[in-house]
Amino acid sequence: AQSVTQLGSHVSVSEGALVLLRCNYSSSVPPYLFWYVQYPNQGLQLLLKYTTGATLVKGINGFEAEFKKSETSFHLTKPSAHMSDAAEYFCAVSDIGGTSYGKLTFGQGTILTVHP
Amino acid sequence: KAGVTQTPRYLIKTRGQQVTLSCSPISGHRSVSWYQQTPGQGLQFLFEYFSETQRNKGNFPGRFSGRQFSNSRSEMNVSTLELGDSALYLCASSLDPPNTEAFFGQGTRLTVV
Repeated sequence: AQSVTQLGSHVSVSEGALVLLRCNYSSSVPPYLFWYVQYPNQGLQLLLKYTTGATLVKGINGFEAEFKKSETSFHLTKPSAHMSDAAEYFCAVSDIGGTSYGKLTFGQGTILTVHP
Repeated sequence: KAGVTQTPRYLIKTRGQQVTLSCSPISGHRSVSWYQQTPGQGLQFLFEYFSETQRNKGNFPGRFSGRQFSNSRSEMNVSTLELGDSALYLCASSLDPPNTEAFFGQGTRLTVV
């Protein structure tokens, strides 16, 4: 069974500092990988996704993530944090076939706090 | 293009009652998935429907059920509500999972008292 581990349930950074949110997955085959962001009382918004091809993926709002198969990781980064980045971030995986239609397996989430 | 619409946004129900939640996907999307989000368990997959057929189901009791209509709108039903069913229920639609991304609605906040 797939699993996703997000290291650090809370991450705090200063405005303008580097944001690094860690995600490791466990899967028998390389899955599709996603990062979502959730603001309070809202649904999930897709930041970026990796399916195939280039392992460095750029997303919205200046975020990017790198798929490292050897490390089974998909860490999310942003060079310079902004106050509006404060939210909860979820890493998710999806099998590319079989009977896993529509099923995303999520990590436990990381709450990002940005200090002025 | 309208996003995924979930109704109602908030619900308060009493233990033992049943509840129906509704989800209207993005136009053209034929896949609808449902998730339960709680502070303790996080985001957990309930089920997925595609062209009115349930293709995948998570590990939830039979009290949780769903269906999809010919216009791709979906409903989920929870019978005999328990306090532990209090959660944010999220619906997501996509064209052709997993090859296309899922777009989420704002969710229905269910409180069971």
